[in-house]
Amino acid sequence: EDQVTQSPEALRLQEGESSSLNCSYTVSGLRGLFWYRQDPGKGPEFLFTLYSAGEEKEKERLKATLTKKESFLHITAPKPEDSATYLCAVQAKTSYDKVIFGPGTSLSVIP
Amino acid sequence: EPEVTQTPSHQVTQMGQEVILRCVPISNHLYFYWYRQILGQKVEFLVSFYNNEISEKSEIFDDQFSVERPDGSNFTLKIRSTKLEDSAMYFCASRNDRAVQHFGDGTRLSIL
Repeated sequence: EDQVTQSPEALRLQEGESSSLNCSYTVSGLRGLFWYRQDPGKGPEFLFTLYSAGEEKEKERLKATLTKKESFLHITAPKPEDSATYLCAVQAKTSYDKVIFGPGTSLSVIP
Repeated sequence: EPEVTQTPSHQVTQMGQEVILRCVPISNHLYFYWYRQILGQKVEFLVSFYNNEISEKSEIFDDQFSVERPDGSNFTLKIRSTKLEDSAMYFCASRNDRAVQHFGDGTRLSIL
């Protein structure tokens, strides 16, 4: 069965304290892996798509990497506005449409 | 920047009543989706829709659910006879030929 797990469940950082979030996945052939950000009461906001092991994407203080079994979201020198829940999701090659989400990591950045 | 719009933002309905949730996808998108998120749980795929028909659905999407694109801009999710366990946030998403699905801000459905 295709599934996605994320760790840690919650992370509390001081402003400027860099860290990484983990997404582990089991899927029958990966079509794509997605990172989304979700603010309270809002829908998921797209951050990155990764398609193959070794691929990396960057946007401001965020960098996403992908291996054959997991993805990391690295946050460099976070700011309070980076506080949100970060969702990892995968799409299997056996499905053209269905995206399977992980439970998310709730990030709090303290000033 | 174009966005997916959902209405209403909050819907309160008596158990057993029918409810219709509405979405206006991004205008040049052709693939449409509904997801739900029960409070404190994962975002779960319900159904995908392309070329006026369902292309994929999950086991959650049973006979009480239906989707429709009644005109060129709206995409709706109907729940025929609501149950208490249907209480959740319902998200609409859309995409063009690229893989990325763009989400609306959801409708919070509360069943009393």
